[in-house]
Amino acid sequence: EAQVTQNPRYLITVTGKKLTVTCSQNMNHEYMSWYRQDPGLGLRQIYYSMNVEVTDKGDVPEGYKVSRKEKRNFPLILESPSPNQTSLYFCASSLTGTPNQPQHFGDGTRLSIL
Amino acid sequence: QKEVEQNSGPLSVPEGAIASLNCTYSDRVSQSFFWYRQYSGKSPELIMSIYSNGDKEDGRFTAQLNKASQYVSLLIRDSQPSDSATYLCAVKQNSGGYQKVTFGTGTKLQVIP
Repeated sequence: EAQVTQNPRYLITVTGKKLTVTCSQNMNHEYMSWYRQDPGLGLRQIYYSMNVEVTDKGDVPEGYKVSRKEKRNFPLILESPSPNQTSLYFCASSLTGTPNQPQHFGDGTRLSIL
Repeated sequence: QKEVEQNSGPLSVPEGAIASLNCTYSDRVSQSFFWYRQYSGKSPELIMSIYSNGDKEDGRFTAQLNKASQYVSLLIRDSQPSDSATYLCAVKQNSGGYQKVTFGTGTKLQVIP
């Protein structure tokens, strides 16, 4: 089954404790992206990747890191999480980065930073 | 000015009616436009995509794009209670060879039985 898998689905942690949210897709997609969704602000793009070893900042990259060492994986790293990073996070992928490619979303990761 | 704007709603329509959802965008280089449906607590799922001016129909859904006026709309005919969800407008831009995607904040649709 074609899918985008995020782990964990839920996480409660404390300020400053490094964490990684994994994202994996099995569709051989080139383009992958991370979003956060907050009430009243909608989905905002954090980082995206056009292909292996090619990443770029989205609209809200501060406090986040990503890497794309393999085509299928695109982990989101919070080196020193803070309470303002409490949010619902989605990973998404599309076949390529060309304009006409829609994105497929994972089921989301709800992060709470205390 | 927000790059992609939607009325947050809620938009309430009776079952069987036409629901009309609107989205405006500010960046004229925007190339692709998508409508996603998101049920509460779930991930967005693609409903429609449109790339050129005019109408595109898929079942009960019609997307309309007017690049000169910088708006895109989604019509849902014969609305059903199962259509009750938040509808997200997304705009894809090619900025220097990199693809940036901007979402609106979504319009909440309520279909009243």
